[in-house]
Amino acid sequence: AQKVTQAQTEISVVEKEDVTLDCVYETRDTTYYLFWYKQPPSGELVFLIRRNSFDEQNEISGRYSWNFQKSTSSFNFTITASQVVDSAVYFCARGYQLIWGAGTKLIIKP
Amino acid sequence: DTGVSQDPRHKITKRGQNVTFRCDPISEHNRLYWYRQTLGQGPEFLTYFQNEAQLEKSRLLSDRFSAERPKGSFSTLEIQRTEQGDSAMYLCASSPEAALNYGYTFGSGTRLTVV
Repeated sequence: AQKVTQAQTEISVVEKEDVTLDCVYETRDTTYYLFWYKQPPSGELVFLIRRNSFDEQNEISGRYSWNFQKSTSSFNFTITASQVVDSAVYFCARGYQLIWGAGTKLIIKP
Repeated sequence: DTGVSQDPRHKITKRGQNVTFRCDPISEHNRLYWYRQTLGQGPEFLTYFQNEAQLEKSRLLSDRFSAERPKGSFSTLEIQRTEQGDSAMYLCASSPEAALNYGYTFGSGTRLTVV
């Protein structure tokens, strides 16, 4: 199976620290899409970003940034100056119907 | 538009009973997806529709599961003869056809507990 692996089950940091969530994927496709979603305690999945396999530019959106490296099949997500409101489970997903990682629970302590 | 709506939010049922969930997607979205999520896991794809056509169904999906989208608007997911292993959050998502320019919009889910 073409998996998505999020090796970090849970990360806990103190507010204002930077934190990186790892995502490694497997695929035989030459063109594919990668996504990050956030699932706060309320439970609703919130779309954060989509990345095409042919676009290896890194992206920054406010305190969020994404590092896509096709050579290592990784699509990592960094939150800079974390805030308590960033506490959630973050999922990386790949593909058309979306193959999902198991998620990383991020805890930001005040 | 208020987003993707799912009903009910919670359902408790006895093993062996049938249950049906409803999803109302964003009105201009012609694609609709069903996922199942268990505790500590990412969502698992079940099936998806483009308009009223069911285009793909997960091979992992038991024959007890069936989904419809009769008029290309709302969708229903039915589980027959429920088992305890069916207990999960059932998520619906919708997207426009060019979904991959954005992401999917998810509903709040229906939490099913089979006792």
